[in-house]
Amino acid sequence: GENVEQHPSTLSVQEGDSAVIKCTYSDSASNYFPWYKQELGKGPQLIIDIRSNVGEKKDQRIAVTLNKTAKHFSLHITETQPEDSAVYFCAASFGNEKLTFGTGTRLTIIP
Amino acid sequence: GAVVSQHPSWVICKSGTSVKIECRSLDFQATTMFWYRQFPKQSLMLMATSNEGSKATYEQGVEKDKFLINHASLTLSTLTVTSAHPEDSSFYICSARPAVGTNEKLFFGSGTQLSVL
Repeated sequence: GENVEQHPSTLSVQEGDSAVIKCTYSDSASNYFPWYKQELGKGPQLIIDIRSNVGEKKDQRIAVTLNKTAKHFSLHITETQPEDSAVYFCAASFGNEKLTFGTGTRLTIIP
Repeated sequence: GAVVSQHPSWVICKSGTSVKIECRSLDFQATTMFWYRQFPKQSLMLMATSNEGSKATYEQGVEKDKFLINHASLTLSTLTVTSAHPEDSSFYICSARPAVGTNEKLFFGSGTQLSVL
């Protein structure tokens, strides 16, 4: 089955700087890669996703890049703000099959 | 759009009792809903996949007789934790996949914190 690894497990960034979280996946058949943001005591919120026919996708301060050959994808947050502090999860799936989640990254934005 | 409502948000119960958690897709129909369990500072563990009108598919190691899942309509799935014990205390989260459109997307409820005394 699919295995998703995520790094780093914790990340502290000065407000205004950029944050990058990286994930690798094992199953080359996976073609859908979402990113979720989870705040304490809440469910995960989909913030951006990418399909394997696209190499990069951007939505305001958030971007995701995908390297199919290397089987890794990354989340980039620019101009970080205190409200970006949360746990971020990457995930991978083939089509509409079940998602396999990474282990999460606790992002702390330092004011 | 794509709102998933989960209730209750937290529940405390005595050992041996049963607890029901509801998951509703408010503005879309969901042919498939997923139930996850999450321990503190850990990732989401898939418990089961439920499809409307059919029996749920449970992940290995998840007791189907203990965690009863019903997906009676395209907008409602329920998880019942039967004869709950302290080790069942956890954060339970449902998610739903829209029946139409780009159906890889998965939207999550706000979670239910279960504490069994």
